[in-house]
Amino acid sequence: QVQLQESGPGLVKPSETLSLTCIVSGGTMSSHYWSWIRQPPGKGLEWMGYVSDSGNTNYNSSLKSRITISVDTSKRHFSLKLMSVVAADAAVYYCARDSRFYGLDVWGQGTTVIVS
Amino acid sequence: DIVMTQSPDSLAVSLGERATINCKSSQSLLYTSSSKTHLAWYQLRPGQPPKLLIYWASIRESGVPDRFSGSGSGTDFTLTISSLQAEDVALYFCQQYSTTPRTFGQGTRVEI
Repeated sequence: QVQLQESGPGLVKPSETLSLTCIVSGGTMSSHYWSWIRQPPGKGLEWMGYVSDSGNTNYNSSLKSRITISVDTSKRHFSLKLMSVVAADAAVYYCARDSRFYGLDVWGQGTTVIVS
Repeated sequence: DIVMTQSPDSLAVSLGERATINCKSSQSLLYTSSSKTHLAWYQLRPGQPPKLLIYWASIRESGVPDRFSGSGSGTDFTLTISSLQAEDVALYFCQQYSTTPRTFGQGTRVEI
């Protein structure tokens, strides 16, 4: 059974880069997209982007100039970098598996990031 | 981008009663290569990660109670909780995965 776990700093200074990693345990990383989704306080879910096991990416256009998602299948993790953060980037960040045909079927527990 | 619009934003339902949430997409979510509708529903409870309830608009994910059901096609979809339980208090989101960017509805809060 696939499990995901986010890790990274819970506090980031404005203008700096937010970096998070998602460890994938169990299952295969092939044939899926590995995604980042966030939920700002009191708001809904925002899809940020995904990376395939081969490294192809697709990003939310509202973040395109600031976001990088990468994958390292040998280490069984994928990562998020968001540059030049501002207060509006404070959120709970989730990593998730996009199974392509069944939606986002596996989620990490989420990690809270404060920008201050 | 496909815009997903849910209604209502919130609803209060008595225990044991039916809750109905609607979701409308700005384009058809029929994925032609599979002939499946790429619409999912998620439940988000406080302090927990989102949970996939329904995919392909009407297929319950394994382990999801059968009081949850999804229906609809094309651009109009519904999530129904047939008999609301206390543990169903949550935010519910629809999401299209027919194309990128993936997009979510704004969410519907269900309360007792």
